[in-house]
Amino acid sequence: DAGVIQSPRHEVTEMGQEVTLRCKPISGHDYLFWYRQTMMRGLELLIYFNNNVPIDDSGMPEDRFSAKMPNASFSTLKIQPSEPRDSAVYFCASKGGGLWEQFFGPGTRLTVL
Amino acid sequence: AQTVTQSQPEMSVQEAETVTLSCTYDTSENNYYLFWYKQPPSRQMILVIRQEAYKQQNATENRFSVNFQKAAKSFSLKISDSQLGDTAMYFCAFMKHEGGNDMRFGAGTRLTVKP
Repeated sequence: DAGVIQSPRHEVTEMGQEVTLRCKPISGHDYLFWYRQTMMRGLELLIYFNNNVPIDDSGMPEDRFSAKMPNASFSTLKIQPSEPRDSAVYFCASKGGGLWEQFFGPGTRLTVL
Repeated sequence: AQTVTQSQPEMSVQEAETVTLSCTYDTSENNYYLFWYKQPPSRQMILVIRQEAYKQQNATENRFSVNFQKAAKSFSLKISDSQLGDTAMYFCAFMKHEGGNDMRFGAGTRLTVKP
């Protein structure tokens, strides 16, 4: 099993640009989570999906952030327009229903200049 | 709301020695899960150990063990025979058992194992 796959691993962009982060969960997992990690706030849950449906997006910081899961094997987190304070590591994680363990991807380090 | 507190931002230990990382949490739930995750410089989040709140026996995974004190809401991680590869950030996390899918993480403890 390839595990959770995220792309890109690193992204550098300029303020105001649109950024799209991608995630492929482990095959068969029906939950998908997006987390953000910063020095100031630690690891925060942004949003999670169950069977491709967003269940809780209360952690999404503002309307500039949006997430989609068009099918069971792909999700995106989009920031438009990006700001320097969005610089962070963004993790995607997935888990199978009925199980407790979340499996994390390698993360995407985003730098907004 | 659940909160997780790790009061030790940084710790160090000599190779082969034992170290204990502290974690406390606040919840009104009776049934939940607690986790310790390791994040080495590679950034990958690796599950080290977990504990179900309804189990009184402390979880153990090889050199890693926990001291779970439910009444005190304390969940410490003990690493025995520390190895250089244990150098990493360690995060304590909480998740409700019923309807719980979102994990709450502590701020982390940076552990350095010295040769």
